[in-house]
Amino acid sequence: EIVLTQSPGTLSLSPGERATLSCRASQSVSSTYLAWYQQKPGQAPRLLIYGASSRATGIPDRFSGSGSGTDFTLTISRLEPEDFAVYYCQQYDSSPRTFGGGTKVEI
Amino acid sequence: QVQLVQSGAEVKKPGASVKVSCKASGYTFIGYYMHWVRQAPGQGLEWMGWINPNSGGTNYAQKFQGRVSMTRDTSISTAYMELSRLRSDDTAVYYCARETTSSYMSAGLDYWGQGTLVTVSS
Repeated sequence: EIVLTQSPGTLSLSPGERATLSCRASQSVSSTYLAWYQQKPGQAPRLLIYGASSRATGIPDRFSGSGSGTDFTLTISRLEPEDFAVYYCQQYDSSPRTFGGGTKVEI
Repeated sequence: QVQLVQSGAEVKKPGASVKVSCKASGYTFIGYYMHWVRQAPGQGLEWMGWINPNSGGTNYAQKFQGRVSMTRDTSISTAYMELSRLRSDDTAVYYCARETTSSYMSAGLDYWGQGTLVTVSS
């Protein structure tokens, strides 16, 4: 089973700042099969990025993904108030399709 | 528009079973795999498995093997997840989510149900 470790656990930032979230895999993941999700309290997750760097439909271009192998990054270039949420990475290279533990981006 | 509408909250006793439904609309049901993901209170996301609505084929996380069953009824575009021998640590919100594709490759889970809270308590 591929274990995904996200860091930091919590990121305290202000609107307008840049957020850099990390997702590290216990073994190599094809970049084709790494996704990022955003979840707000009481809501279902929302797909942001798939294939490590492709934005899902309707996702603003301030969200970007990068990385390969075992190290992946989600960057939010300028935080908007609605971006404060929990972010999860997920690999779908192999079964089980594991999620990381999440990074909370808070004000 | 694509919608996944799940059944309502459930309260079950330890040892019982629960069956959650997920009714799809706005797209061709048999064209997309359906996944089930759960989230315990205050915790992260946990992938449980998927079903291919076209063939009925399934793939379960080993953790749930023998306790979970994912089925579908294509006549009503509905997927089901049944979890048996419930324990208190199965208390969670259970989500169904559609897997989309791009250029014939998986492209993540793009639509999610609203979630179904299952509470296991004696």
